[in-house]
Amino acid sequence: GAVVSQHPSWVICKSGTSVKIECRSLDFQATTMFWYRQFPKQSLMLMATSNEGSKATYEQGVEKDKFLINHASLTLSTLTVTSAHPEDSSFYICSAPSPTARETQYFGPGTRLLVL
Amino acid sequence: LAKTTQPISMDSYEGQEVNITCSHNNIATNDYITWYQQFPSQGPRFIIQGYKTKVTNEVASLFIPADRKSSTLSLPRVSLSDTAVYYCLVGGQAGTALIFGKGTTLSVSS
Repeated sequence: GAVVSQHPSWVICKSGTSVKIECRSLDFQATTMFWYRQFPKQSLMLMATSNEGSKATYEQGVEKDKFLINHASLTLSTLTVTSAHPEDSSFYICSAPSPTARETQYFGPGTRLLVL
Repeated sequence: LAKTTQPISMDSYEGQEVNITCSHNNIATNDYITWYQQFPSQGPRFIIQGYKTKVTNEVASLFIPADRKSSTLSLPRVSLSDTAVYYCLVGGQAGTALIFGKGTTLSVSS
């Protein structure tokens, strides 16, 4: 089946630095990808929709200047957490819609971010 | 997207059949029902999808009554490795974002 990868799988950074997370669709193209955030013991929360060739759309309450999204190609979306703070520590997951199966998405393995 | 309601948690023993029911009273005519499984520190994984009646694959079965206001995910003979969170999602046009509810945490013991 279709595979979505993320890199890195985990990252530790100092407060105030920026971190970039990559999401790739490995064997299919995705004009749209989605970014989620998941805190411990909680469900996935949609952060934004990444659109190839246009600006990302952000969910209410998500700061677009803090979470920069770039859909560089039909197989790559990046999420940059700028000026990271400890409260940004979370599990970030991306997904891409299946090219064939209705209402099905393929999720990446996630990226664990720890901001010290 | 149709709101879904599932039990927060369920406990089972190895070898038993587990049935997780999801309520979705406001399901629309064109909506499909999809279940995902998530292990700790991993992204969700597609399990099964259906529109009506019964769907079965190598992992699970999905039972959907005629009114489609609920669905039941059936996991036959669970093992310890089936311990995970199971999410029921309904609706969403093809290619749109999925909105996750709280899911059901299944704990399988030996």
